[in-house]
Amino acid sequence: KAGVTQTPRYLIKTRGQQVTLSCSPISGHRSVSWYQQTPGQGLQFLFEYFSETQRNKGNFPGRFSGRQFSNSRSEMNVSTLELGDSALYLCASSLNAGGPYNEQFFGPGTRLTVL
Amino acid sequence: DQQVKQNSPSLSVQEGRISILNCDYTNSMFDYFLWYKKYPAEGPTFLISISSIKDKNEDGRFTVFLNKSAKHLSLHIVPSQPGDSAVYFCAASVSNSGYALNFGKGTSLLVTP
Repeated sequence: KAGVTQTPRYLIKTRGQQVTLSCSPISGHRSVSWYQQTPGQGLQFLFEYFSETQRNKGNFPGRFSGRQFSNSRSEMNVSTLELGDSALYLCASSLNAGGPYNEQFFGPGTRLTVL
Repeated sequence: DQQVKQNSPSLSVQEGRISILNCDYTNSMFDYFLWYKKYPAEGPTFLISISSIKDKNEDGRFTVFLNKSAKHLSLHIVPSQPGDSAVYFCAASVSNSGYALNFGKGTSLLVTP
């Protein structure tokens, strides 16, 4: 079974630009979450989508947004990029089979550098 | 506000010995705890988890202990192997509020031969 895939793997942008990152979950997984990893703050939760609806949101400004498509693939968008947005963006998928918690499977991440 | 803390950024252990990684949390609503392992250039990989109704969970060489009164959990790796060298993240969640994981900043474990 293929794992979580994220594209692109590396991205360089300049301040003020916007960027879209893509995530394809494991086949059959319906929940997709996004995380930002930086050296200073560690791994921080951005948002989670299930059945095309944002179910949970972390403490990030409105410049960070996302969406999920009917095939469970997800995109996240960052507008008006700032230097501090340079980070590894990780996507995780989960089966969401109805239990209190499902293990999350992470992709390799997209490394975003803002110049 | 860091609700999950891993106060040791790094740990070095000899092969064959026990590795103990520690994690503290502040939010008493957390009821599910996980450990993830991360190699460079890869995403975190799930290792082991524990529900707040338990105080111990074992999976092979890995055991997680939970002390709810102290809001503390630990991961024991016995015996440690060089392949265990990686960054270990502790994570916590409130199980009925979606799948948001609150991560610690990680502990880099080095297992030396």
